[in-house]
Amino acid sequence: EIVLTQSPGTLSSSPGERVTLSCRASQGVDYNYVAWYVQKPGQAPRLLMYGASIRATGIPDRFSGSGSGTDFTLTISSLEPEDFAVYYCQQYDRPPFTFGGGTKVEIK
Amino acid sequence: EVQLLESGGGLVQPGGSLRLSCAASGFSFSTFSMNWVRQAPGKGLQWVSSISGTGAATYYADSVTGRFTISRDNSKNTLYIQMNSLRADDSAVYFCAKSIIGSYLFDSWGQGALVTVSS
Repeated sequence: EIVLTQSPGTLSSSPGERVTLSCRASQGVDYNYVAWYVQKPGQAPRLLMYGASIRATGIPDRFSGSGSGTDFTLTISSLEPEDFAVYYCQQYDRPPFTFGGGTKVEIK
Repeated sequence: EVQLLESGGGLVQPGGSLRLSCAASGFSFSTFSMNWVRQAPGKGLQWVSSISGTGAATYYADSVTGRFTISRDNSKNTLYIQMNSLRADDSAVYFCAKSIIGSYLFDSWGQGALVTVSS
């Protein structure tokens, strides 16, 4: 099983700031089959990125993803008020299709 | 527009059974793999199970293997999960999620069904 470890657990930032979220895999993820989701309280998750760096439909370009192998990152170039939420990474290379524990981005 | 509507959640005693359904619309259901993901109160996301478009391939998390069974009825555009021998740690919101074609990443989600296992 590929275990995904996200860091930090909580990130306190202000609107307009640049933030970087980390997702580290316990073993290599082939084809960069890593996705990122965002979840707001009381809502279902929403797909942000897949293939480590491909934005899903309708996702603004302030979101970018990178990485390969075991280390992946999600960067938000300039936080908007609606970006304060919880972010999850997921690997879909092989079952079990595991999620990371999440990073909460909160307002400082 | 893709729509996924879960039903069947509720309160069940430990050791009991429950079947969740997910009615899908707005896409060619049989073309896409489908999935269940759960979230315990205040916790993160946990992948539970996936099924291929034809239903020929199924996958389960270790924590539910042997107790849960995923299935689908492509004639009814409906996904199911039969949950037996339920435990307190199965209590969660269960989301139905559609895969992007040819993969097991999730591009559309339902609003979830709450399952509470308690005596």
